[in-house]
Amino acid sequence: GNSVTQMEGPVTLSEEAFLTINCTYTATGYPSLFWYVQYPGEGLQLLLKATKADDKGSNKGFEATYRKETTSFHLEKGSVQVSDSAVYFCALEGAQKLVFGQGTRLTINP
Amino acid sequence: SAVISQKPSRDICQRGTSLTIQCQVDSQVTMMFWYRQQPGQSLTLIATANQGSEATYESGFVIDKFPISRPNLTFSTLTVSNMSPEDSSIYLCSAWGQGTYEQYFGPGTRLTVT
Repeated sequence: GNSVTQMEGPVTLSEEAFLTINCTYTATGYPSLFWYVQYPGEGLQLLLKATKADDKGSNKGFEATYRKETTSFHLEKGSVQVSDSAVYFCALEGAQKLVFGQGTRLTINP
Repeated sequence: SAVISQKPSRDICQRGTSLTIQCQVDSQVTMMFWYRQQPGQSLTLIATANQGSEATYESGFVIDKFPISRPNLTFSTLTVSNMSPEDSSIYLCSAWGQGTYEQYFGPGTRLTVT
């Protein structure tokens, strides 16, 4: 079946550091891929998406590229801010259902 | 896009009782989804609710424990029956946005069972 594996957290960085959160997937066919973010005390929000191979999703300075050859969708940001502290979830879509990774808690220190 | 609301936002319930969670979408949608997020964990799909038919449950979830109603294209309810402390979780509903390929989530219902 479909599955998503994220790098284990928690991840702690200093402000303005470079961020990478790894995400790999196992799926039949070519699913759409998503990153969701859950800020403290808030609901789940879509951060970015990519619907086919080599697509790059981007939003709020975050980027992720759909790599079919490595079955990956790593999340990156060049310079993180304290306000980026949150839990990040990688997800794939199959038959209109989402399968989520385990989530990565990110803390940015000033 | 889709704006999704849920009621209640949180509740504390006693073991053995049931709680019904309501989910309202601001537009008509074909499928609605119910997820569970246990403390510190990821989201797990409970079931898919289609209007006019029985909900489809994922492995490990059964209708007797989590009955779902879907009376129209904008509303659904999830009942957590005969609750135990292990049911303490956040329950979220979601739906795909009209004309987008994005799934939107409600704010969640935080349930604590004592």
